[in-house]
Amino acid sequence: GQQVMQIPQYQHVQEGEDFTTYCNSSTTLSNIQWYKQRPGGHPVFLIQLVKSGEVKKQKRLTFQFGEAKKNSSLHITATQTTDVGTYFCAGRGTDSWGKFQFGAGTQVVVTP
Amino acid sequence: DGGITQSPKYLFRKEGQNVTLSCEQNLNHDAMYWYRQDPGQGLRLIYYSQIVNDFQKGDIAEGYSVSREKKESFPLTVTSAQKNPTAFYLCASSNSRYTEAFFGQGTRLTVV
Repeated sequence: GQQVMQIPQYQHVQEGEDFTTYCNSSTTLSNIQWYKQRPGGHPVFLIQLVKSGEVKKQKRLTFQFGEAKKNSSLHITATQTTDVGTYFCAGRGTDSWGKFQFGAGTQVVVTP
Repeated sequence: DGGITQSPKYLFRKEGQNVTLSCEQNLNHDAMYWYRQDPGQGLRLIYYSQIVNDFQKGDIAEGYSVSREKKESFPLTVTSAQKNPTAFYLCASSNSRYTEAFFGQGTRLTVV
C-alpha cells in the first residue's frame, strides 16, 4: 500500500536560520498537501501541489513537488518563533478518491 | 460561521465501555474522515465516508465503528474492542479529492 515518509522527525532551528523538511511517497501521487499543527491544536491546511515540478511560495515558505510526483519538500527561510509546530504532508494516491495518507510529520522547535 | 465541530473536547472512558465522538460540519462537504493521533506521531486514518450512507475502513478501523446517516454528521464510536483507545481523535471534511481538508478541534479520549 501507499506509504508517505517524512524526514527529519524533529528539527531544532535557531531563529533566523533556514531549514527544509522532506516528504517521500512509495507510489506516485495525484496531489500532495501540507498542513501545520501548532502545539495543542489541530492541523491547518497550508498548500496543495498538483503538477509535476510545481513550486509555490507563501512568504517565507517554499513548497516543491518532485518531477516524478513521489516527493515534496517544504523550505522555510529566516525561521521565526511563530513557525513552531509540526508540519505534515499528505498525499493522495492516483487510485484512491478522497483518502489522504499523512506522513508522521516534522516537529519544529525554534530557539531564540 | 462555516466549520467543523467536534465534541466533547475531553472525554474519559472506563475500560469496557463504548463511547461516541461527535463530528458535525456545515461546509456542505461530501467527504468526511476520522483520524487518530498518538503523541509524537502522525495522523492515522480510521474511517472515511465519501457520501451519505456509505463509508470505508481506513488503516486502523478495528475496534471502531461509524455511521453517515446525514451529510453533515459523521459520529465515531470507540468500542470496548479497541485495546488502546487513549489518543487524540480528529475529524475532517473535504469537498473533493482536489481540495483541502478542514479539521475539527479534536477530542482527547482517555481511558481511566
